[in-house]
Amino acid sequence: TQLLEQSPQFLSIQEGENLTVYCNSSSVFSSLQWYRQEPGEGPVLLVTVVTGGEVKKLKRLTFQFGDARKDSSLHITAAQPGDTGLYLCAGTGNQFYFGTGTSLTVIP
Amino acid sequence: DTAVSQTPKYLVTQMGNDKSIKCEQNLGHDTMYWYKQDSKKFLKIMFSYNNKELIINETVPNRFSPKSPDKAHLNLHINSLELGDSAVYFCASSQVGPSGGEQYFGPGTRLTVT
Repeated sequence: TQLLEQSPQFLSIQEGENLTVYCNSSSVFSSLQWYRQEPGEGPVLLVTVVTGGEVKKLKRLTFQFGDARKDSSLHITAAQPGDTGLYLCAGTGNQFYFGTGTSLTVIP
Repeated sequence: DTAVSQTPKYLVTQMGNDKSIKCEQNLGHDTMYWYKQDSKKFLKIMFSYNNKELIINETVPNRFSPKSPDKAHLNLHINSLELGDSAVYFCASSQVGPSGGEQYFGPGTRLTVT
């Protein structure tokens, strides 16, 4: 059983479309991070959310931490081919857990 | 300058061999990690070291042994390699322990066991 489940696992969309990736758990986390991993490279941190209900925006990306600090979402507006990659959520508590990952492909 | 570096980038070897992967970070971080990413892209933590002390040791085979000569280095040694060890291995570091803080990842080492 994975501690952090992401959905969808795979997502292929056309350039300009919007999308949302979900990260769900039954556990409460002190904070939640989102990383993006491009092929052949390691994950790179996009954002950290700490407070329940917190919303952070990074250009076309909007991140939300659930009120109960058990889940999070990542919304991308007007996706671009450069957004293609593997998106990973990661929860911090006593330890550090990565989610199952969402592979996003944006088609030009 | 590369923050977290790993060598080699690619490693192809036969079953039963012993191999090592090296990792160095120049960020001055206190904690370093090793992760294994399988074919389904799931990233699983294997070890972390904080000031030369092992603080997490997930249920990995004892054929895997991390070695940290100093705070800036955490090498991974693997004995008696098996087919199932084929994966991408990532080294990472963070300023704080595994309970929080941004983790900086190396570029990964793709290990193929034949």
